[in-house]
Amino acid sequence: DMKVTQMPRYLIKRMGENVLLECGQDMSHETMYWYRQDPGLGLQLIYISYDVDSNSEGDIPKGYRVSRKKREHFSLILDSAKTNQTSVYFCASSLYGQGAGNTLYFGEGSRLIVV
Amino acid sequence: GEQVEQLPSSLIVQEGASVLINCSYTDSASVYFPWYKQEPGKRLQFIIDIRSNMERKQNQRLTLLFDKKTKHLSLHITATQPGDSAIYFCSASRGSALGRLHFGAGTQLIVIP
Repeated sequence: DMKVTQMPRYLIKRMGENVLLECGQDMSHETMYWYRQDPGLGLQLIYISYDVDSNSEGDIPKGYRVSRKKREHFSLILDSAKTNQTSVYFCASSLYGQGAGNTLYFGEGSRLIVV
Repeated sequence: GEQVEQLPSSLIVQEGASVLINCSYTDSASVYFPWYKQEPGKRLQFIIDIRSNMERKQNQRLTLLFDKKTKHLSLHITATQPGDSAIYFCSASRGSALGRLHFGAGTQLIVIP
């Protein structure tokens, strides 16, 4: 069963706390992504990982960092969370890159509230 | 960079009606256009795509039209059902392996039984 799993699904943090969002996939996909979804803005790309330790900034990387030490696992880290990072975060994976016609498989999302 | 716009932002129709979702993009180098659907509380799922060397693609009740000259796409859904209620996202990419998908803001479709 091809699946992208995100943990945790819901999270409330205080401003200044660190946040770790985790994502796993069981499809041996090379490429993984982190997006955030905000009302009226659609999906904005935070980071892409092309493989283990091969990460690239997306359109809105400021305030975020990522880690990919195993092909099946991709983490998003917020060091000192800010209230404007309240959002729904989606992880996705694809066999190869986004542009090659490879379908993206999405996780169910992680809703983060920063108070 | 690429800008993808969708209209309308929301749509409410009666079951059985047809709907049209419009999408425009700005980067003439974009060649691949997948669409994704997000049902309430669920993950995004791929529904249909088209490449720039095609004008039309159909998948059951979904028809995707592409106009390269005007940089415009239209997703036509016929015989809508309540299960079609979702947010529909248009996206565009340049097609290379390292290319990135740029998403529109989405169109929320509500189908009333």
